[in-house]
Amino acid sequence: DTAVSQTPKYLVTQMGNDKSIKCEQNLGHDTMYWYKQDSKKFLKIMFSYNNKELIINETVPNRFSPKSPDKAHLNLHINSLELGDSAVYFCASSQDHPGVSYNEQFFGPGTRLTVL
Amino acid sequence: ILNVEQSPQSLHVQEGDSTNFTCSFPSSNFYALHWYRWETAKSPEALFVMTLNGDEKKKGRISATLNTKEGYSYLYIKGSQPEDSATYLCAVNFNKFYFGSGTKLNVKP
Repeated sequence: DTAVSQTPKYLVTQMGNDKSIKCEQNLGHDTMYWYKQDSKKFLKIMFSYNNKELIINETVPNRFSPKSPDKAHLNLHINSLELGDSAVYFCASSQDHPGVSYNEQFFGPGTRLTVL
Repeated sequence: ILNVEQSPQSLHVQEGDSTNFTCSFPSSNFYALHWYRWETAKSPEALFVMTLNGDEKKKGRISATLNTKEGYSYLYIKGSQPEDSATYLCAVNFNKFYFGSGTKLNVKP
């Protein structure tokens, strides 16, 4: 059974479109995250939700909007896609919020977004 | 912004060699350090979580140490095998996770 799953795995779209990436975890974790892997391969935190509440909201364009319908799901909606949004986006989950020191994250397989 | 730095960026070794790489981080407000193994086209997999100064963790041929006072961790691989080829990623939890860019290890048979 996949612990953290993301759909789609690949997403190719035109500039200006609106798209969503979905993430689900079946680990019973309370916290979920979205990361963007930048051009230098760094994983940069975008958002984090704990029990459906937003706890981390980094400086990302407001075209990016996370939605957590329940604690097992965290979706990422992107409006008016731009060329610079092309990247791999990773979802992750952990049992507790980041302030718990032994908190281990489990990652999804990533979604490669290409904006043409 | 807190910088987590890993060195070297890449490493090529022969099968059977032992190797090590470094993760450096600011030592204040430290919660924990995580090492991940990341194979191409897969997702990062957790290797170790370390919190205490002087911590040493071991899993098979892979081990890690932590020095929170000076802000570094070492990851060691003894007798590298081709299947160890991957990117080894360090992440430090300062109440939010900050990732290094990884060390890409290639083990030649």
